[in-house]
Amino acid sequence: GAVVSQHPSRVICKSGTSVKIECRSLDFQATTMFWYRQFPKKSLMLMATSNEGSKATYEQGVEKDKFLINHASLTLSTLTVTSAHPEDSSFYICSALTGGNYNEQFFGPGTRLTVL
Amino acid sequence: SQQGEEDPQALSIQEGENATMNCSYKTSINNLQWYRQNSGRGLVHLILIRSNEREKHSGRLRVTLDTSKKSSSLLITASRAADTASYFCATHTGRRALTFGSGTRLQVQP
Repeated sequence: GAVVSQHPSRVICKSGTSVKIECRSLDFQATTMFWYRQFPKKSLMLMATSNEGSKATYEQGVEKDKFLINHASLTLSTLTVTSAHPEDSSFYICSALTGGNYNEQFFGPGTRLTVL
Repeated sequence: SQQGEEDPQALSIQEGENATMNCSYKTSINNLQWYRQNSGRGLVHLILIRSNEREKHSGRLRVTLDTSKKSSSLLITASRAADTASYFCATHTGRRALTFGSGTRLQVQP
């Protein structure tokens, strides 16, 4: 199947700093990628839809100035957590659409963010 | 509540037993998918069942879909310790993003 990578896999930062997470589709082009957030022992919650060449679409309650998304190419979307706080600590997972008929998404391995 | 509620929230069984997890959803769907997640890891796609299908098999997995009841079940037969993980259902509606259920944490005791 298609492969999606995320980098870094784990990051620890101090409060107030910004952290960038990359999501790459390795062997296919993805005009649409999604960013999800997962708290411990909880389900995945969609944060935003990242569209190549246009602005991201954010879900209700997700601050777009806090979570900056850039989808500059057909294989890369980035999520930047700005001025991170401890409550931003979470597991962030991206997925990429392959463009098939049945909404086949492939998920990245996730990034564990810990804000001290 | 969320689109996609799963029960049980947690399930503990012995190796060799079957595990059944259920998922209910609220709106019409195009398809429903099941994913597996090992602790702290990414998601692994298990199986997709379309809205016009009622049952699907893949190895030791059997998925059913009842659109009249807006529910699905995942059966893992002859479970193994390596099946220990969290299992999520996810629905695809008109929007392209998936909506995930609350998940079932499965523990298979060796």
